[in-house]
Amino acid sequence: DIQMTQSPSSVSASVGDRVTITCRASQDISSWLAWYQQKPGKAPDLLISAASSLQSGVPSRFSGSGSGTEFTLTISSLQVEDSATYYCLQVKSHPLTFGGGTKMEIK
Amino acid sequence: QLQLHESGPGLVKPSETLSLTCSVSGGSISSKNYYWGWIRQSPGKGLEWIGNILYSGSVYYNPSLKSRVTISADTSKNQFSLRLSSVTAADTAVYYCARRSDGSGWSYVNWGQGTLVTVSS
Repeated sequence: DIQMTQSPSSVSASVGDRVTITCRASQDISSWLAWYQQKPGKAPDLLISAASSLQSGVPSRFSGSGSGTEFTLTISSLQVEDSATYYCLQVKSHPLTFGGGTKMEIK
Repeated sequence: QLQLHESGPGLVKPSETLSLTCSVSGGSISSKNYYWGWIRQSPGKGLEWIGNILYSGSVYYNPSLKSRVTISADTSKNQFSLRLSSVTAADTAVYYCARRSDGSGWSYVNWGQGTLVTVSS
C-alpha cells in the first residue's frame, strides 16, 4: 500500500501570507494526486487533480506542484475563507490513501 | 448536475451490520469511466477510504476493512450500497459516497453531504 505523509499537521498564518503544505508518497505515484479542502460539517471539495490541475471555480491563489513522491499545495495569498483542513489523496493505485490532513488557522 | 445522497440508519448496535445506500441523480452509475466510492471520517479525525466499485462491477476495498465490507451496485435503481459487518464503536463516523472520473485525474469530484452513523447499544 502507498502511504501518504502530510505536513505540517497544522499551520497558523496571517491573511496575505504564502502557505505551503507538503505530501510525500511512500513510492512513485507520478502525478496521481489530488488536493481537497474540507470545512467543518461539510464534504471535502476538490481543489486540484493530477497534482497541478486547478479545478473549475477554485481561486487562482491555490496551486499544486510535484510529481513522483513529493507534492505541494500552495496558497499564494491566504484569505480568511481559506480556514479549513486540507487533505491529499493518492489515486495511483488501490487502496487509495489520504494524507493525515493539515488544519489551516488564520491568525 | 450530478447529485449523490447517502441514506441509512443513523444508529447501529455493536456486532451488527451497517448498511448505507447512495442514491445518484443526474447521471447513471452504469456510465463508463467512473468509480463510485465510500469514504468515512471518524469524529475529529481524517478521511479514510473504504472502497469503490467500477462501472463494470469490479470492486476494490481498503485492506483494513476488507473482511467486513461489501460494496454493490443496483443499476435498476441507480444506487450503490455499503455494508459493513461486525461493527464496533470504532466504526462511528460520517460516511460519504462519492464519484471518481478519468476526467478529473481519477479524483473524487462529486460527493454526497455525508451521513453520521453511530455505533452504540
